[in-house]
Amino acid sequence: NAGVTQTPKFQVLKTGQSMTLQCAQDMNHNSMYWYRQDPGMGLRLIYYSASEGTTDKGEVPNGYNVSRLNKREFSLRLESAAPSQTSVYFCASSEYRDPNNSPLHFGNGTRLTVT
Amino acid sequence: DQQVKQNSPSLSVQEGRISILNCDYTNSMFDYFLWYKKYPAEGPTFLISISSIKDKNEDGRFTVFLNKSAKHLSLHIVPSQPGDSAVYFCAASAHNNAGNMLTFGGGTRLMVKP
Repeated sequence: NAGVTQTPKFQVLKTGQSMTLQCAQDMNHNSMYWYRQDPGMGLRLIYYSASEGTTDKGEVPNGYNVSRLNKREFSLRLESAAPSQTSVYFCASSEYRDPNNSPLHFGNGTRLTVT
Repeated sequence: DQQVKQNSPSLSVQEGRISILNCDYTNSMFDYFLWYKKYPAEGPTFLISISSIKDKNEDGRFTVFLNKSAKHLSLHIVPSQPGDSAVYFCAASAHNNAGNMLTFGGGTRLMVKP
């Protein structure tokens, strides 16, 4: 089925460890996003890529880096994990930047625990 | 300070009755509003949206109402079905956003009892 695929589904890290969350979409969408979901906080945008070759900070970018590897793939890297980064991470894509014409399509999430 | 708020963390409704989920916002620049639905262990999926030039948008059992003067929107589900049990997120966007940057509310968990 077409959609957004995230790996891994679950991950436990120790404080200070690094890891990369992978995301790929097969809908030929131009824009891709990384959100984190915390209880009561909704989803908050970490970084986004409006088109291949560009990336920009969202609401909560500190402690993260991203790479738009090609049109399909957008990865999120934690260089030195902290307990405050314990969260559920969602990757999303959209055909266009304008939400009026282009709803977000989300992956199933990565549940990350930092101890 | 959260710009989009869903003040009811949970809502329980009997099957066949109406479910009303509420959302308030503070940023007057928001001009497009969306509702997403999320089942456990899945990502959110788009449900319905409304532009600020309208006050109502309907799609089958789902209707979204927008009251701009009150900075309030609501999602009505009629009739409610057990399969509607999920977390519902309200989201808003401003036209001058650099990208498709949505601001989400904290979510409301809807439970529809058979």
